[in-house]
Amino acid sequence: DIQMTQSPSSLSASVGDRVTITCRASQSISRSLNWYQQRPGKAPNLLVYAASSLQSGVPSRFSGSGSGTDFTLTISSLQPEDFATYYCQQSYSTPTFGQGTKLEIK
Amino acid sequence: QVQLQESGPGLVKPSGTLSLTCAVSGGSISSNNWWSWVRQPPGKGLEWIGEMYHSGSTNYNPSLNSRVTISLDKSKNQFSLKLTSVTAADTAVYYCGRKSWSGGYYDYWGQGTLVTVSS
Repeated sequence: DIQMTQSPSSLSASVGDRVTITCRASQSISRSLNWYQQRPGKAPNLLVYAASSLQSGVPSRFSGSGSGTDFTLTISSLQPEDFATYYCQQSYSTPTFGQGTKLEIK
Repeated sequence: QVQLQESGPGLVKPSGTLSLTCAVSGGSISSNNWWSWVRQPPGKGLEWIGEMYHSGSTNYNPSLNSRVTISLDKSKNQFSLKLTSVTAADTAVYYCGRKSWSGGYYDYWGQGTLVTVSS
């Protein structure tokens, strides 16, 4: 299995801040990396696929980058609705998820 | 708009079998997608359980492989999960999802259903 490690596990930030979440794969996965947002009590929601492609309907303040083993999700200017938990998922082989990054209000 | 809806018992006894169904609307289960199950124990992260393609191909999480079966019912446009010999560790919210065949990302999810394993 390919292991996915996210950092940090939790993060406190304020509305308007720029935030970056990192995801590292245990082996190269090319650009087969997807990002999801999950609000409490809700299903995950696809934000970014193939490392940097924004899913339709997702605000442009979200962006993804990276290739190989290291990837980032950046939120350029935090909005109140962005406080949630974020997961990365590799689609290079049988799917695995990162452990999640909880984004909290400072 | 594709929609997925899980259904099934919310309580299963230890050593019993967990059975869930996911009804798909707004799209065909015979389309070029993998039909998947993902679970999330309370307060924890996401765990992939397995998936099935309309051709009959399946992939399962090796840690659950011997206990999991996923099947498709094309006539009802739905797919199902069976997990045998359950323990308290199988208590989780179970999500069904559609995984893009080409991109491997989950673009549609059900709302999730909590299954508790308890006597």
